[in-house]
Amino acid sequence: NAGVTQTPKFQVLKTGQSMTLQCAQDMNHNSMYWYRQDPGMGLRLIYYSASEGTTDKGEVPNGYNVSRLNKREFSLRLESAAPSQTSVYFCASSEDLTLSYEQYFGPGTRLTVT
Amino acid sequence: KQEVTQIPAALSVPEGENLVLNCSFTDSAIYNLQWFRQDPGKGLTSLLLIQSSQREQTSGRLNASLDKSSGRSTLYIAASQPGDSATYLCAVNDYKLSFGAGTTVTVRA
Repeated sequence: NAGVTQTPKFQVLKTGQSMTLQCAQDMNHNSMYWYRQDPGMGLRLIYYSASEGTTDKGEVPNGYNVSRLNKREFSLRLESAAPSQTSVYFCASSEDLTLSYEQYFGPGTRLTVT
Repeated sequence: KQEVTQIPAALSVPEGENLVLNCSFTDSAIYNLQWFRQDPGKGLTSLLLIQSSQREQTSGRLNASLDKSSGRSTLYIAASQPGDSATYLCAVNDYKLSFGAGTTVTVRA
């Protein structure tokens, strides 16, 4: 039982390049989330997926797109990377969005955009 | 919009001292509150989850309280050890998680 896994662990991009961050969970959770963490600002929600086939914007969605590929996988895409997107990205999952279940986090992807 | 504040931003204590970490939030209509630990360069590890109907939750040396009416939660860590050195984050779930910026704890041997 690996929990929540993320790939890659580290990535360096040039401004304007695109990439996809991958996330998978093996806990049969319905809901999945993408966050970014910047120094002194805590984690901020980018997008979330309440269940397979649905996605919604969070607090900071601009410059990102997501795909809930199936119940296990939730990817985050940067179409044209900008230096302001340099951050640590975390994927998380929970049994359900609306009920009081805790969230489980992956190890993070450290992204630098030059 | 939910605002979550953690004070202080950093804390240094000698080994054996009890730790008290504070979290405040602005909207009391929450499902639950979760405390996490984050080690440098690592992901988040869930420590305790307090449901909105609970007043406190305990796990080993950790005890977390919740006062929804005043918008406060406190995490107590008894008899601190150097291994407790980490950043502690609280997150409020009011349909989506809103995080505080964290308190970085250093326990000196």
